[in-house]
Amino acid sequence: GDSVTQMEGPVTLSEEAFLTINCTYTATGYPSLFWYVQYPGEGLQLLLKATKADDKGSNKGFEATYRKETTSFHLEKGSVQVSDSAVYFCALSPNYGGSQGNLIFGKGTKLSVKP
Amino acid sequence: DTGVSQNPRHKITKRGQNVTFRCDPISEHNRLYWYRQTLGQGPEFLTYFQNEAQLEKSRLLSDRFSAERPKGSFSTLEIQRTEQGDSAMYLCASSLDRGRRNNEQFFGPGTRLTVL
Repeated sequence: GDSVTQMEGPVTLSEEAFLTINCTYTATGYPSLFWYVQYPGEGLQLLLKATKADDKGSNKGFEATYRKETTSFHLEKGSVQVSDSAVYFCALSPNYGGSQGNLIFGKGTKLSVKP
Repeated sequence: DTGVSQNPRHKITKRGQNVTFRCDPISEHNRLYWYRQTLGQGPEFLTYFQNEAQLEKSRLLSDRFSAERPKGSFSTLEIQRTEQGDSAMYLCASSLDRGRRNNEQFFGPGTRLTVL
C-alpha cells in the first residue's frame, strides 16, 4: 500500500544552519505531496504542498520539490530560526480512482534549533 | 475563532468505559476526517464524511469505534469498551471539496485520550 518514509529525528541545528529533512514515498499513480508542521502545543498546519511532478512548494522560507524519478519530496530551508523548532510531517494523498483524499503521514521529524 | 475545534481536549477514562469526542469543522467545509496519532507516529486515517455521508469506514480500528455526522456539520467519534491500547491523540480535520485535487485539510488541536 501507499506509504511515506521520512528521516528519523530528532534533528538539532544551530540558528542560521541549513536544513534538510528527507522524505520518500511509495504510491500508486501520481499522489499529491505535503509537508505539515506541528509547533509545540498546537495542531497540525499545512506548510507546503505539490500536486504534480517537478512542482516546487514553498512557504516561510521552506521549499520542497516533487521528484517522481526518485519518489522524493525533501524539505529544505537555507537558514533556520529558533522559531522553526517543531515536528515536521511528510504526507501524501493518493490520486487514483476511488481515493478518498485522506492523508498518509510519515512518522514525523522533530527539529530543535538552538540560538 | 473559525478554525476546527475539538472537545474535550483531554479525556481520562477507565478501561471498559465508553467515550465520545466531538469535532466542529470550519463551517463551510463539506469533508470531515478523523485520524489517530500515537506517540512517535504520524496521524493514521480512520474515517471520513462527505457532508453527512460516511464514505469510508473500513479503516476504523475495530467495531468498537464508530463515527457520525448527523446533519453534515459537527461529528462525533465514539469508542465503546475502551482498552489501554486506545490511548492516543484523536485528530479531526476538515476541507472544502470543490472537485479539485487535494484540497487543504485543516486540523483541530486534537483530543488526548488516556485509558487507565
